[in-house]
Amino acid sequence: NAGVTQTPKFRILKIGQSMTLQCTQDMNHNYMYWYRQDPGMGLKLIYYSVGAGITDKGEVPNGYNVSRSTTEDFPLRLELAAPSQTSVYFCASSRQGGVNYGYTFGSGTRLTVV
Amino acid sequence: AQKVTQAQTEISVVEKEDVTLDCVYETRDTTYYLFWYKQPPSGELVFLIRRNSFDEQNEISGRYSWNFQKSTSSFNFTITASQVVDSAVYFCALNSGYSTLTFGKGTMLLVSP
Repeated sequence: NAGVTQTPKFRILKIGQSMTLQCTQDMNHNYMYWYRQDPGMGLKLIYYSVGAGITDKGEVPNGYNVSRSTTEDFPLRLELAAPSQTSVYFCASSRQGGVNYGYTFGSGTRLTVV
Repeated sequence: AQKVTQAQTEISVVEKEDVTLDCVYETRDTTYYLFWYKQPPSGELVFLIRRNSFDEQNEISGRYSWNFQKSTSSFNFTITASQVVDSAVYFCALNSGYSTLTFGKGTMLLVSP
């Protein structure tokens, strides 16, 4: 099984550009999440989704947008990239709320905004 | 609100030493789950353990052991006879009735030969 797949693995953006980070999972998980990881700061939740068509903000949603049109896919959109968005982004999924089953993480996308 | 504190930013040990990584959590819920994840230099997040709030038994898995104490809201992780391959960032995380996981800031463990 592929699990959670993120693309691209690395990307350099110029300030003001836009891009979409792709995330897909093949485990039929209802819940999906986007986290960002900054050095020494742990992982912070950007957005999450409890099922197709349903999304909600996490701790640090500003500057990002998401959509969930299918169970499998949960893309993260960056509009007008800023240096503060330089980070490593992780997508994750879980069968339910993660309480009983934990999360499965993708391998991450390292984004640099210059 | 839920919160996880990993007070140790970085720990350095020499191979074969034992090392304990501390984790203190805060939650108002009586039902919750605690997790430990490992992030090796390659960057992926590796699940290590899950513990629910009703099970205070310590757990041992090979060289790894976990001590869960509700009285002190702690879920500490001990590596016995550390090895160079244990070098990584370790995250403690909490899920307490919400649909999302809250992470601590992580502890970087450096094991030198």
